[in-house]
Amino acid sequence: QSALTQEASVSGTVGQKVTLSCNGDTNNIGTYAVGWYQQISHGAPKTVMFGNSLPSGIPDRFSGSKSGTTASLTISGLQPEDEADYYCSTWDYSLSAQVFGGGTKLTVL
Amino acid sequence: EVQLVESGGGLVQPGGSLRLSCAASGFTVSSNYMTWVRQAPGKGLEWVSIIYSAGNTYYADSVRGRFTISRHNSKNTLYLQMNSLSAEDTAVYYCAREGILSGRRGALDIWGQGTMVTVSS
Repeated sequence: QSALTQEASVSGTVGQKVTLSCNGDTNNIGTYAVGWYQQISHGAPKTVMFGNSLPSGIPDRFSGSKSGTTASLTISGLQPEDEADYYCSTWDYSLSAQVFGGGTKLTVL
Repeated sequence: EVQLVESGGGLVQPGGSLRLSCAASGFTVSSNYMTWVRQAPGKGLEWVSIIYSAGNTYYADSVRGRFTISRHNSKNTLYLQMNSLSAEDTAVYYCAREGILSGRRGALDIWGQGTMVTVSS
């Protein structure tokens, strides 16, 4: 069982806005920066959101936010190439471990 | 260019050992928090270990006592020594950098391409 909770699956149509969530607690999301990672066809993960900062080369249709112990990744204007598995993670000071969500499979219809 | 390149994966028998390497370019390994993350076939991402810039190390319960994370500063390379391997350790192993954003840690910003470790007789 993952320390962070994500939706198992989310779907949307091309051009639609979708939001993925990542729920934790005060030991992790409530204290530290959250990363979001895109993994296409079980290739290497790629960071698409680093805290609230967009890494170089990531389209600005990706945005991130955090409220309390929940982090969110929003994709505005969904594109076919956004279909992937998305994971969130952050540090957990009570576990002294990097904790991951179970991943969300995003399907572009 | 900031980059991480893993090597050292392969097929190993149960009970065997393997050492993974992660060569960094574009930044200094010893000045950063460096992690190993693995992904078993068909499963999600699982954190394995971290080494801080100060040298402190932490491990997941599943590998503590069997795996050792280390670095070679002059080679700018991160390592993972894996001993007493079992089938449950079969996975793609990624090295990653934990970045610092506005003084706050937590997120991984740079990933390698991964190296496959298969434990089987």
